[in-house]
Amino acid sequence: QQPVQSPQAVILREGEDAVINCSSSKALYSVHWYRQKHGEAPVFLMILLKGGEQKGHEKISASFNEKKQQSSLYLTASQLSYSGTYFCGISGGSNYKLTFGKGTLLTVNP
Amino acid sequence: DVKVTQSSRYLVKRTGEKVFLECVQDMDHENMFWYRQDPGLGLRLIYFSYDVKMKEKGDIPEGYSVSREKKERFSLILESASTNQTSMYLCATCPLRTVEAFFGQGTRLTVV
Repeated sequence: QQPVQSPQAVILREGEDAVINCSSSKALYSVHWYRQKHGEAPVFLMILLKGGEQKGHEKISASFNEKKQQSSLYLTASQLSYSGTYFCGISGGSNYKLTFGKGTLLTVNP
Repeated sequence: DVKVTQSSRYLVKRTGEKVFLECVQDMDHENMFWYRQDPGLGLRLIYFSYDVKMKEKGDIPEGYSVSREKKERFSLILESASTNQTSMYLCATCPLRTVEAFFGQGTRLTVV
């Protein structure tokens, strides 16, 4: 089952902050975050692992609440280049299945 | 740099045709995935493979099959293409589930 992302879309002005949420009904092992610009492949931003380890982007941060099976992506001081669709991907249990949500469309205006 | 290559960017096929979508990676990754992307539905997992000749169903496997005879190549097969399989298809690979996945550029398939 796909994780649930919220909001579905958000519009910001340059310099504003945004939070994108991702939740799952199943226990999570890892949470991935990707950004996709129109006509391009998704690009990796961040991975959060069970146990608290994080790997990823310098200017973007994220949290992972294992008990609640939720993750949030924090975009601060947004830039025009942040525009795109953000996907969270989840992997749980003992297999390698990587399932993505429906995405959050972020638009940053000047 | 990891390279994930999908055989075609655009493909037009007729209803009932057997369609092969190919994905090749050059980094010796164990895991490979096929997704379809439709507006408002995000990335939906069709099949994945964690080793040669090993495959597991994703969330929407109906109407599709896969083949992984060599580690670097993962094929998605539409046995009898239908118009509701018109979509963008994305292949991805990753070595372990604890690191990032890499995506191909996608194949936009239109079934007429």
